[in-house]
Amino acid sequence: AQSVTQPDARVTVSEGASLQLRCKYSYSATPYLFWYVQYPRQGLQLLLKYYSGDPVVQGVNGFEAEFSKSNSSFHLRKASVHWSDSAVYFCAVSMPNTDKVVFGTGTRLQVSP
Amino acid sequence: GPKVLQIPSHQIIDMGQMVTLNCDPVSNHLYFYWYKQILGQQMEFLVNFYNGKVMEKSKLFKDQFSVERPDGSYFTLKIQPTALEDSAVYFCASSLGLGGRYQDTQYFGPGTRLLVL
Repeated sequence: AQSVTQPDARVTVSEGASLQLRCKYSYSATPYLFWYVQYPRQGLQLLLKYYSGDPVVQGVNGFEAEFSKSNSSFHLRKASVHWSDSAVYFCAVSMPNTDKVVFGTGTRLQVSP
Repeated sequence: GPKVLQIPSHQIIDMGQMVTLNCDPVSNHLYFYWYKQILGQQMEFLVNFYNGKVMEKSKLFKDQFSVERPDGSYFTLKIQPTALEDSAVYFCASSLGLGGRYQDTQYFGPGTRLLVL
């Protein structure tokens, strides 16, 4: 069955440290890939998306993600986190020709001072 | 950026009663969605809606669920009657275009927290 896995429910990093949030998917073909962020009491906001081409995609606020077909992964990275990055991050996928988006369970990021 | 609003933010209701969740999508968007997230679980697709019709729905979209957007007003999710397992956060989303190769970004609201007692 098609699925999206975010293996880390919670991640804590120190301000200024680098970050990687993991996402793996299980699909028969290469899906479209997304990372969303949800701040408290707000809706999900799109950070970045991958359709094709360069496997490293740049997003807002210094985030980037790298698609790996061989690993079926789409990990999110940031070189230096800020306390305001504390939020829940969702990886999501969809297949071409469908409007349905499948979300992972989310990773709660806590940035400590 | 574009904002989707959801009203109310919280709703507590007795099992068996009807509830309507309201979504105010981005003004020029044409496609509308509902997702359900049970506490601690992933967000799951319920339904999408275009031009007055349901286009896709998941197995979570039970017969007790219905959606509509009368006269370009709120996009609503109605549950009648409610059941205990309907307790969840319901997220509305909207997009300008359909998916496929040029999948348009879905913009999400902050969610409505529904508790069925």
